[in-house]
This record gives sequence, C-alpha cells and structure tokens, in this order.
Amino acid sequence: EPEVTQTPSHQVTQMGQEVILRCVPISNHLYFYWYRQILGQKVEFLVSFYNNEISEKSEIFDDQFSVERPDGSNFTLKIRSTKLEDSAMYFCASSSPGDRGNEAFFGQGTRLTVV
Amino acid sequence: GNSVTQMEGPVTLSEEAFLTINCTYTATGYPSLFWYVQYPGEGLQLLLKATKADDKGSNKGFEATYRKETTSFHLEKGSVQVSDSAVYFCALKRTGGSYIPTFGRGTSLIVHP
Repeated sequence: EPEVTQTPSHQVTQMGQEVILRCVPISNHLYFYWYRQILGQKVEFLVSFYNNEISEKSEIFDDQFSVERPDGSNFTLKIRSTKLEDSAMYFCASSSPGDRGNEAFFGQGTRLTVV
Repeated sequence: GNSVTQMEGPVTLSEEAFLTINCTYTATGYPSLFWYVQYPGEGLQLLLKATKADDKGSNKGFEATYRKETTSFHLEKGSVQVSDSAVYFCALKRTGGSYIPTFGRGTSLIVHP
C-alpha cells in the first residue's frame, strides 16, 4: 500500500540552527501538507501546497518557515533559525484531488528537538 | 471558522468495555468527517470517515455516524481491547477551495486488561 515517508524520524538541533525536514508524498497525490503536534497538544495545520505553490498557511507559518518541492517526489519543510518552541512532532501529509471525502494520508512524523 | 471539539481525556476503560468518544464540529457548508488514530510512537492513521449526513463510517469494530442536526460525529466501539490504547483525533475537511483537514485536540484512550 502506498505511504507517505518522512526522514529523519528524529532530529536534534541547537537553537538558531536551520533544519530541513523531508517528506516523500504518495506519488499520484497533488495536495501536500505540513502539520505539527507539540507534545500533548493538538495537531496544528502549518501549510498546504498545490501546483508548486503555497495554497494556504496558518499564522504559525511565519517567515522562519518555508516549503519546497525540489523535484517530482520530495516535499520539504525548512525552519531557518530554530527556537526552543519549535520542538514538536512534524507530520507531512498528502491527498489526491477529487471529491471531498479524499482523506489526507500522513507520514510517521519527524520529532524535532531544539536544545 | 471551522473547528472540532473533542471530549477531554484520558479515557480509561477495562477490556471489553463500551467506548464513546464525543466529537462535535463547527463548519460552513457540508464538511467530510474523519477519525484518525495515533498509536504510541507512530503517525496518524485514518480510522474511518463519513462524507455526508447520516453516513456511518466503520472500521475495526469502531463506528461513527455523521449527525448534521447535532453537528456530531461520536466514535463508538462495543468492546475495546488493550491494543486499542491510542490517541484518537476527530477531524473535518471542508468543501470548496483547498482540502485542509482540521483536527480536534485528540482524546487519549487507555485500556486495561
């Protein structure tokens, strides 16, 4: 069964450093998303991406964040200068176009720890 | 705006007990509704979904009915197992424009033998 894969599974970084989280969405999907989940809290939407551009973003997704689809398979989230409060589980998801019942498929997540 | 409200956890049950996790939503239009499950150390997996009023989604013994009149999508299971211990997220996906799932806070379920 096709799946969304994310790497690395766990990343530890120092405050102020740049990190890139990587995702390979399901191959025939066209909508891509990043979410985050701070420990014990709800899953929060960050950004959606369609047709090679951001289609929507939340207030969390400020200038420190960027997304890119550098080739036909990868979808990355970059945090330019990490802060302690960026520590969270980051989930990538993808979905196919079509009817509204198309669910988003999620990856296993990358646990980011900023120290 | 769109939002999902779930009952607070943790919900602690004995094996074979009946489970209900309440979920209500606020949305414009006619959203699709989902339950996702997150097992310890894993990502989010779709458990079940319903796309229109009165639809019942079901999977692995879990079920939920899309109730438009009460804007609810409560998750139920007749007899829980220890392996059902996980965090359950109710979510909606609005119609029109982009298809961004909106999640509730999640409800932790702990099932004891």
